[in-house]
Amino acid sequence: DTGVSQNPRHKITKRGQNVTFRCDPISEHNRLYWYRQTLGQGPEFLTYFQNEAQLEKSRLLSDRFSAERPKGSFSTLEIQRTEQGDSAMYLCASSFQRGGGTEAFFGQGTRLTVV
Amino acid sequence: AQSVTQLGSHVSVSEGALVLLRCNYSSSVPPYLFWYVQYPNQGLQLLLKYTTGATLVKGINGFEAEFKKSETSFHLTKPSAHMSDAAEYFCAVTPGGTYKYIFGTGTRLKVLA
Repeated sequence: DTGVSQNPRHKITKRGQNVTFRCDPISEHNRLYWYRQTLGQGPEFLTYFQNEAQLEKSRLLSDRFSAERPKGSFSTLEIQRTEQGDSAMYLCASSFQRGGGTEAFFGQGTRLTVV
Repeated sequence: AQSVTQLGSHVSVSEGALVLLRCNYSSSVPPYLFWYVQYPNQGLQLLLKYTTGATLVKGINGFEAEFKKSETSFHLTKPSAHMSDAAEYFCAVTPGGTYKYIFGTGTRLKVLA
């Protein structure tokens, strides 16, 4: 399978615990994005990497959230001290910089439930 | 600021009937426009996109959309609905082809037998 892969698919955690999600993009893609989707809403932009550089972070990404993309390959999104409001689907996407309008390919997401 | 509005959070059509899902955008620069489909507990799959050139774009599964600059619209259509089309559909814009996708709130399509 050469698509975007996300692990785990589901995560249930207790409030206050730390969680980490992994995203493996399509191998030749240099751009990687994280989005968050809550029930009944469209995906909301969280952060963006061009190769290994994190170029933008949304204000939605509080200081409890951190994302990395070492060596410009896979990426991790960590949430510290989880809160019930963090419950959502976390989507990773990747694309290849090729002028404008390059479509992003999305993974199947990680559904986080904070209890 | 850029934004996307999808009119109708739920749309029901009979199998075989026309599907019309509405999308209006706001962008201060030429937009690139996309329609994605999402099945339950799945990620988003690209249906079609408009960047430049021909304003009527065809996508997968028989869907098409027309970019109308004067109406700031990019409505999605399919001549004949199939049961397998039941899903949630998202319209998105990347202003000027930048990296940041701005999504609408989605339209859930129900197909009635």
